[in-house]
Amino acid sequence: QSVLTQPPSASGTPGQRVTISCSGSNSNIGRNSVSWYQQLPGTAPRLLIYNDYDRPSGVSDRFSGSKSGTSASLAISGLQSEDEADYFCAAWDDSLNGYVFGTGAKVTVL
Amino acid sequence: EVQLVESGGDLVQPGGSLRLSCAASGFTFSDFWMTWVRQPPGEGLEWVANIKEDGSEAYYVDSVKGRFIISRDNAKNSLSLHMNALGAEDTAVYYCARSDWNSFDNWGLGTLVTVSS
Repeated sequence: QSVLTQPPSASGTPGQRVTISCSGSNSNIGRNSVSWYQQLPGTAPRLLIYNDYDRPSGVSDRFSGSKSGTSASLAISGLQSEDEADYFCAAWDDSLNGYVFGTGAKVTVL
Repeated sequence: EVQLVESGGDLVQPGGSLRLSCAASGFTFSDFWMTWVRQPPGEGLEWVANIKEDGSEAYYVDSVKGRFIISRDNAKNSLSLHMNALGAEDTAVYYCARSDWNSFDNWGLGTLVTVSS
């Protein structure tokens, strides 16, 4: 039950900045923190951003998160070939009493 | 180093049951909520269930309520997912993840569950 909407794809050339949006509602993003995950092909997801904009240790500062109202965004600056992956947002939903993930966005480096 | 290792995935017939396990190491298991997340082949991520540090609370996605049970054994640093009445829609890679700060900060490699006759 993907109630968080992301664009299916995003792309850029090396060095560019790419932004991925995550649209939700008052019951999820509007009230709770957002996290972001990177999933490289054939691997398990990895936490990139938690608490809307915080980065775990070891995550490059090229990744940044933001939130406004019921939407959140993940920005990747200085795009690199190794950033080609699927990216998912997530948040707790108070109405569903559970976590919801975004539909996922595939980033391609041209 | 945090390590989460899932096991128990298998091919099971529709209507069957399966028990997944997750062995945790490298952190104080009893200090964290734990979560199961699944990913059908070629699709996105779906949160399945999570359980409180002491096992006193658990939450489930609607599609598995009444069929799946999440449990933990803090003495053995182990998380389990008991799955009953399995259907084709349950076919997925199942990941065990540690929860912290309303996020999933460490993930296992996953175990594949295939429901098919």
